[in-house]
Amino acid sequence: DQQVKQNSPSLSVQEGRISILNCDYTNSMFDYFLWYKKYPAEGPTFLISISSIKDKNEDGRFTVFLNKSAKHLSLHIVPSQPGDSAVYFCAANYGGATNKLIFGTGTLLAVQP
Amino acid sequence: DTGVSQDPRHKITKRGQNVTFRCDPISEHNRLYWYRQTLGQGPEFLTYFQNEAQLEKSRLLSDRFSAERPKGSFSTLEIQRTEQGDSAMYLCASRHGTSYQETQYFGPGTRLLVL
Repeated sequence: DQQVKQNSPSLSVQEGRISILNCDYTNSMFDYFLWYKKYPAEGPTFLISISSIKDKNEDGRFTVFLNKSAKHLSLHIVPSQPGDSAVYFCAANYGGATNKLIFGTGTLLAVQP
Repeated sequence: DTGVSQDPRHKITKRGQNVTFRCDPISEHNRLYWYRQTLGQGPEFLTYFQNEAQLEKSRLLSDRFSAERPKGSFSTLEIQRTEQGDSAMYLCASRHGTSYQETQYFGPGTRLLVL
């Protein structure tokens, strides 16, 4: 059962435009969400996070929106740059004593110059 | 602080051999995680340590897998009698503190290929 879903395997955007990556989750107990960026043959790099008590968090060009009623979050990148080309993973904190992360399957973002 | 480090970065082995991976977390991070990532999937949780205590193991962690964190610092993940299905990227992450808002920081991973 995939508790965190990223339904778009890939996304192509022109440099300078907005990139919007989407993520849906099913477990209402998730209390913290994170976005990671991953290049091939490297580990995931933390990008931005949001607590379930907020609906928006912004850090430079990156903004994450959370819609709890829809169990949906999105990552906006404005303006997109070629260096942003990577796989983006949405992750949810399962909470409890472990705080393990449940990941989506990722979205490959390609920013065209 | 140099971040989470993992060794080796790549490992090629023959089916049936044993392999061991090492993870050095960020210093003073007392929580350590192992994940496994296969092609086309996101990382999947394997096991969790708080200091030297292994507090949770995923059902993905079969009897052939064992993890330790003997002094609450570095951790090792051993796979005995490797199978081709064990081929994956093995990722280690660490975090500090008890708040649910603490971020997990990942190492570069160990890519395992079982022939």
